[in-house]
Amino acid sequence: DVVMTQTPVSLSVSLGGQVSISCRSSQSLVHNNGNTYLSWYLQKPGQSPQLLIYKVSNRFSGISDRFSGSGSGTDFTLKISRVEPDDLGVYYCGQGTQYPLTFGSGTKLEIK
Amino acid sequence: EVQLVESGGGLVQPGRSLKLSCAASGFTFSNYYMAWVRQAPTKGLEWVASITNSGGSTYYRDSVKGRFTISRDNAKSTLYLQMDSLRSEDTATYYCTRQGSSDYWGQGVMVTVSS
Repeated sequence: DVVMTQTPVSLSVSLGGQVSISCRSSQSLVHNNGNTYLSWYLQKPGQSPQLLIYKVSNRFSGISDRFSGSGSGTDFTLKISRVEPDDLGVYYCGQGTQYPLTFGSGTKLEIK
Repeated sequence: EVQLVESGGGLVQPGRSLKLSCAASGFTFSNYYMAWVRQAPTKGLEWVASITNSGGSTYYRDSVKGRFTISRDNAKSTLYLQMDSLRSEDTATYYCTRQGSSDYWGQGVMVTVSS
């Protein structure tokens, strides 16, 4: 199984600040078709997860350009700039390259 | 607007069965792989099972193989999860997701396995 290791476990940021979340996979996430199926999700308190970024760096419909994804192979990063109050919650990375699909353990973002 | 609405959750005793449903709307259901993802209380996300768009192939995590069955009715735009021989460790909120980066999620349905 592909193990997804997310760091940090939690972080606190001031409004308007910038944060980065790291996600590393135990195997390359490059699919046989050449795509890399690494996604980022945000689960706000009391809500279902929502997709932010898919295939490493593509923002999902309606997602602010304050969110950006980067990386390749086994090493990926989510950056959030100009943090707003609505950004708080738990961020997960997830891989869809091979079964079983797996997720990171989550990063809790708190606003100072 | 894409909508996924789960139903069928509840409290069930260990060893018993439960069937979850997910009614889809706002997209051509038969074009998409679908999946169930669960989240135990205060825990992270855990993939449970997936099914191809035609229903011809299914995939399961090891801990539910032989106990859970994912299926779909494309005519009804509905996804199912039949859960048999339930265990306490299956207690979780179960989400239906549209696979392909899990771009849409339902609101989730709670399953509690307890005597």
